Amino acid sequence: SQTIHQWPATLVQPVGSPLSLECTVEGTSNPNLYWYRQAAGRGLQLLFYSVGIGQISSEVPQNLSASRPQDRQFILSSKKLLLSDSGFYLCAWSALAASGDTQYFGPGTRLTVL
Amino acid sequence: TQLLEQSPQFLSIQEGENLTVYCNSSSVFSSLQWYRQEPGEGPVLLVTVVTGGEVKKLKRLTFQFGDARKDSSLHITAAQPGDTGLYLCAGDNYGQNFVFGPGTRLSVLP
Repeated sequence: SQTIHQWPATLVQPVGSPLSLECTVEGTSNPNLYWYRQAAGRGLQLLFYSVGIGQISSEVPQNLSASRPQDRQFILSSKKLLLSDSGFYLCAWSALAASGDTQYFGPGTRLTVL
Repeated sequence: TQLLEQSPQFLSIQEGENLTVYCNSSSVFSSLQWYRQEPGEGPVLLVTVVTGGEVKKLKRLTFQFGDARKDSSLHITAAQPGDTGLYLCAGDNYGQNFVFGPGTRLSVLP
């Protein structure tokens, strides 16, 4: 079966510090991978998605970036965090199937920028 | 730009009551998903509906996809405190993109 991992689970960082969040998927090959941010009690905002190694599409211009160095690894980074970067970051994967393109989510990372 | 609207935004009911939440769009989707998310956790998939008019049941939860594949509903029978959470619908635009609604926050009081 497929599983998706995210770490760290929680993170508190000062403004201006760098960021690296990691997401890995097990049990599937060549998944589509996604990074979302969720403000408190709100819906999901798509940040980046990737259909393959080294292929990144950005949905929202910001000081964040994403990379996919391996097939099942997706990294979200920033060189200098802003207060507005605080939120709940979710990684998801999907694979096209007869039942549609369903996304499966990781447990999330709670980021607080002080 | 495709948008998904969800209503109501908030819902607070007593244990044992029935409820329906809605997910609406002016766009057609190839499939639609419902998720439930608890605080501090990632959304968990409840169901995927693909065919217009399709009805799926998951214990006390009944999901319906509109005939035109633009809307969906989630009906919960005899709600329990464990049903509390944020219910998100998401539409798949034929593999081109994936759109999430803002969610319905449900609170079931014992």
